[in-house]
Amino acid sequence: EAGVAQSPRYKIIEKRQSVAFWCNPISGHATLYWYQQILGQGPKLLIQFQNNGVVDDSQLPKDRFSAERLKGVDSTLKIQPAKLEDSAVYLCASSFRGLQETQYFGPGTRLLVL
Amino acid sequence: GDSVTQMEGPVTLSEEAFLTINCTYTATGYPSLFWYVQYPGEGLQLLLKATKADDKGSNKGFEATYRKETTSFHLEKGSVQVSDSAVYFCALSDNQGGKLIFGQGTELSVKP
Repeated sequence: EAGVAQSPRYKIIEKRQSVAFWCNPISGHATLYWYQQILGQGPKLLIQFQNNGVVDDSQLPKDRFSAERLKGVDSTLKIQPAKLEDSAVYLCASSFRGLQETQYFGPGTRLLVL
Repeated sequence: GDSVTQMEGPVTLSEEAFLTINCTYTATGYPSLFWYVQYPGEGLQLLLKATKADDKGSNKGFEATYRKETTSFHLEKGSVQVSDSAVYFCALSDNQGGKLIFGQGTELSVKP
């Protein structure tokens, strides 16, 4: 069974530019999560989808971050415009139904904002 | 709000030494508890989990017991190997939406 796929793996941009990350969850998984992991810290949830609906986006900086999950499968996370403090690893995870189930993580996208 | 606190690293051990990484949590309700591991250059992987009080999760020689009375979920292994070198994250999942709340991670380095 294929795992969670993410692309790109690395991205370097200048501040005020825009960037997008893509995630393809495990087939059949209804719940998809985007986490931000700043160096030296644990991952922090940005947004959670159940199928194509948003369950929790309370910690998403909505003035610059946006995310969508069309057709309840793939998802994209966008940052526009990027700030220096957005430098982090962006992790996508999925689970079968959500609630207290095991989440499976992708390899992450490492973003550096200069 | 809910939170997880882990012992700070890095932790450096010799091969075959005993490992304990402390983890305590604050949560309302009855969360599930997890240990995830991140090997160098790889993504987060589930190591073990426990879903209710007194449950013991175990995998690859690692164990952790869900202690509600002390709100703890300490990770232990009797004899570590060089291949166990990684960053270990304790996490809880609330019983609302299911998001994971992570500790800050503990880096383990095992020397031969």
